[in-house]
Amino acid sequence: QIQLIQSGAEVKKPGASVKVSCRFSGYTLTELSIHWVRQAPGKRLEWMAGFEREDGEIIYAPKFQGRVTMTDDTSTNTAYMELRSLRSEDTAIYYCTTGLDYWGQGTLVTVSS
Amino acid sequence: EIVLTQSPGTLSLSPGERATLSCRASQSVSSSYLAWYQQKPGQAPRLLIYGASNRATGIPDRFGGSGSGTDFTLTISRLEPEDFAVYYCQQYGRSPWTFGQGTKVDIK
Repeated sequence: QIQLIQSGAEVKKPGASVKVSCRFSGYTLTELSIHWVRQAPGKRLEWMAGFEREDGEIIYAPKFQGRVTMTDDTSTNTAYMELRSLRSEDTAIYYCTTGLDYWGQGTLVTVSS
Repeated sequence: EIVLTQSPGTLSLSPGERATLSCRASQSVSSSYLAWYQQKPGQAPRLLIYGASNRATGIPDRFGGSGSGTDFTLTISRLEPEDFAVYYCQQYGRSPWTFGQGTKVDIK
């Protein structure tokens, strides 16, 4: 059984960066695809970026290109998503997912001055 | 990008009734790479259907998906109390992956 455990809630000021972690258990990271999806309050889910194991490359949504970076640490089986130049509209719950079926519990990021 | 539009916005039904949710895409969804999720307050989305019509592991057979091209449907044959939630469609055939705005199924 795959489990994805995300880091805790963050509060950031506009212009700052946030790095959310997602630790995988039950499978090694190198066997899985990884995607990041966010949900602003009362809004629809929004795909930000993803790495499909079969394709072997990271793809970023045009909306976030240049502002988001996906990385990972295979030694700790942890994936990371960093979002820079934060603004109030980035206040949302950020989820890691294997693509469709396995999801982390979500990390609330609040951007406020 | 492919825009997904779900209808209706809210569906008010009673337990035991049939629910029919629609998802329309602005362009054809390749290879029927269309998924449906259920989301309850404070929870992550839960995959129900992938490939337009395939139930995910552990999903009861009262949930069914159909459609192709630009028109897709999620049907819940008989609503159980735990089915009252928000449902999202998602296309994952073309980058960027996109989601519909959701349909809320609430108790009448």
